[in-house]
Amino acid sequence: QVQLVQSGAEVKKPGASVKVSCKASGYTFTSYDINWVRQATGQGLEWMGWMNPNSGNTGYAQKFQGRVTMTRNTSISTAYMELSSLRSEDTAVYYCARVSGTVALNSWGQGTLVTVSS
Amino acid sequence: SYVLTQPPSVSVAPGQTARITCGGNNIGSKSVHWYQQKPGQAPVLVVYDDSDRPSGIPERFSGSNSGNTATLTISRVEAGDEADYYCQVWDSSSDHHVVFGGGTKLTVL
Repeated sequence: QVQLVQSGAEVKKPGASVKVSCKASGYTFTSYDINWVRQATGQGLEWMGWMNPNSGNTGYAQKFQGRVTMTRNTSISTAYMELSSLRSEDTAVYYCARVSGTVALNSWGQGTLVTVSS
Repeated sequence: SYVLTQPPSVSVAPGQTARITCGGNNIGSKSVHWYQQKPGQAPVLVVYDDSDRPSGIPERFSGSNSGNTATLTISRVEAGDEADYYCQVWDSSSDHHVVFGGGTKLTVL
């Protein structure tokens, strides 16, 4: 079965960077785009961007342009999302999700809590 | 950018039908997807492409989309359906590309 397993919780100081991983299994990693979505406590879902694991092509929400980088390592079927210049407002659970069809997110990772605090 | 509008909350008694709306400009021309999210859990896709259900999702969950409103309908509501529900579209004209509604808290009375 399709599984996306994310790395563990992180605590970072303001101004630092965080890199979250998302390991895929149960399907051909390079056949489906990976999207990243975040959710602050008590808030809704916020889309950050997408990556094509085959080509490495990416697209980012304007809000995160210049601060986010999405990459992958196809040899280990793992996608990464790195967010830099962290601020307290970036404290959230970060999810990776696999896309299918008309950009429906049909499989999600378990989420990674990133806490930004001095 | 494209905006999706959902009511913050919907309440329904067990066994009744819940309808959660998602408003957007000419949303009927887009494919709408719906997610269920329970506290402390990742979202789960419950309806895709307006009205299709992924395998394992009960037939009680259905969707429709026309004009400026998409609707998620949950028939014979159960206590376990209590959750947040989000609609989502892909909008090529928006810098966001993937757009989520603000979410609706479904309360089972």
